Amino acid sequence: KNEVEQSPQNLTAQEGEFITINCSYSVGISALHWLQQHPGGGIVSLFMLSSGKKKHGRLIATINIQEKHSSLHITASHPRDSAVYICAVIFQGAQKLVFGQGTRLTINP
Amino acid sequence: GAGVSQSPSNKVTEKGKDVELRCDPISGHTALYWYRQSLGQGLEFLIYFQGNSAPDKSGLPSDRFSAERTGGSVSTLTIQRTQQEDSAVYLCASSFGTGVFYGYTFGSGTRLTVV
Repeated sequence: KNEVEQSPQNLTAQEGEFITINCSYSVGISALHWLQQHPGGGIVSLFMLSSGKKKHGRLIATINIQEKHSSLHITASHPRDSAVYICAVIFQGAQKLVFGQGTRLTINP
Repeated sequence: GAGVSQSPSNKVTEKGKDVELRCDPISGHTALYWYRQSLGQGLEFLIYFQGNSAPDKSGLPSDRFSAERTGGSVSTLTIQRTQQEDSAVYLCASSFGTGVFYGYTFGSGTRLTVV
């Protein structure tokens, strides 16, 4: 079965802390997406990656294809980073996204 | 427009009524996807369209759900005889293609409440 698992499900941290959210998947993929969803809001695509590492501002996404694992890091976290972060993959041979359950991140001032 | 537009943003309907949800993708995006996020649940795939190819309907939960995409642009998701379990946020996304190099742009979603 093609599955995507995220951890932790919930994460609360203090402003300024370094945040790591993990994503593991069961079989080979073509691409992996990290998405951000604010309360009541739509979804924003943060990264799409198929190998290596990408950085955008305080956000860093890495992927290890051999280990079938990706991480999303947030440096110098801020309360405005509070959101649900969702990992989604496209399994090899498929076209649609399969989503993890999301990680609810709360950054306290 | 600059982004993916969905309408209405909120819809409350009575059980048994039909509803139509609209998605206006980014101009030039050939791929269009519908996803659903039920309360407390993760996102699930419903259907996708790619150009003139037959749509992938494998995620539609029942035959009460249907979708069409006219002229390769605007898409309408129709739910007939709505049930309370249909209550969810329905999200539309579009991209230039379905290859792995194409990112997605999501709409803000339609929150459907069946009472």
